[in-house]
Formats: sequence, C-alpha cells, structure tokens
Amino acid sequence: KNQVEQSPQSLIILEGKNCTLQCNYTVSPFSNLRWYKQDTGRGPVSLTIMTFSENTKSNGRYTATLDADTKQSSLHITASQLSDSASYICVVSPSGGSYIPTFGRGTSLIVHP
Amino acid sequence: DSGVTQTPKHLITATGQRVTLRCSPRSGDLSVYWYQQSLDQGLQFLIQYYNGEERAKGNILERFSAQQFPDLHSELNLSSLELGDSALYFCASSVDAGAAYEQYFGPGTRLTVT
Repeated sequence: KNQVEQSPQSLIILEGKNCTLQCNYTVSPFSNLRWYKQDTGRGPVSLTIMTFSENTKSNGRYTATLDADTKQSSLHITASQLSDSASYICVVSPSGGSYIPTFGRGTSLIVHP
Repeated sequence: DSGVTQTPKHLITATGQRVTLRCSPRSGDLSVYWYQQSLDQGLQFLIQYYNGEERAKGNILERFSAQQFPDLHSELNLSSLELGDSALYFCASSVDAGAAYEQYFGPGTRLTVT
C-alpha cells in the first residue's frame, strides 16, 4: 500500500531560525513529489515539485531535497518568518496509469516571535 | 488568489440530505480535481476530470458524484449525507492532466452535516 509519512507532526521554532521537515514514502513507481504550504482554513499552495531525476529544488527560503533511492524528501526553511506558520504537506504521485496521489498528514509549524 | 473559485464557502445541512458544490477553474485550465480534507483523514484525492471526461478516480464514495461541464466548471454532488462527510472540500485545477502539472487550489467549501 502506498504511504507517505511526515515528521515531526508538529514543530515550534523562533523567528529567524532554520528548520527541516521530513517526508518518507513507499509510493512506487514514483513520478513526482510535491511540497505544499497550507494556512489554516485555506487551500494548499505549491512550494516545489520534484521528479525522479531532481534532487534539490528551491523556492525562495524553501529548499526541498529528494533521495529517490531511500525514498526520502526534506523541506528546509531558512530564516523563518511568522508567516511561515502553517501546515506543510508532502504529496507523492505514482507514474503510469491514472493520477492518484498519496498525501502525508502534514507537519504543523508554528513560528514564534 | 489562485484564480480557482468555489461556491458556497460554507454549507450546513442535515444527515440524509444532498448538496452540490461548485468549482470554476483558472482561465485556460482544462483539468479539475476534487479533494476532501477532514481532521481524521487529512487530504484525500476524490476525482479528476479533464476537458469534460473523468480521468482518474480516488477514494470517492458511491454516494458522491461529479461532472465537468462544457464551460469547464465542475460540480461535486454529495448525497445521503452522513456526519462523517463533514469536511473541507477543495477543488484544484491545472492546465493539463498529467501528474507533473502545477495544481492551483481554490479556497474550499466547508461542509457541516448535523
């Protein structure tokens, strides 16, 4: 069964600090992995999307890494801001056939001043 | 603002009832996706349409149905509602149907079944 596990479940950091969120998956065969940011009560917003051949992708202060061999991804947030407080969701899509993604449960990040 | 619109924003209804959620994709996007987000299940993919045709089906219950119209807007119909159907329902759109295309999410419809 395809699974996506995210850790930690929640994280509290001080403004200006860096943090790293983890995503492990069992989806196979693999097409792509996305990281989304979701503010409370709002729709997810895409941060990065990576395919099998990509191992790093950045979007401003957000940098995602992918190790397709170990089926692990991380999202690194640099110099955190209060506006980074949100849920971060990892989504993995299989290749071939229909689009049926598997979602992680998300990491809830709180940035304190 | 993603450019995807969803109506209504909130919906409160009773068990056993039927509701229709509406989604208008971004201008130029041909693919529409429906997702359900509940506290205990997280985000789940329900169904995808591309240019009016069903393209992929996820964890969608038989009591739920959807369609995409010629003007590309989409509707999600939920019938015989149960308390467990209370959730946020998101619509997303992308320019094409492939898994690698960027998806843009709407603001969601919050459904409360009492």
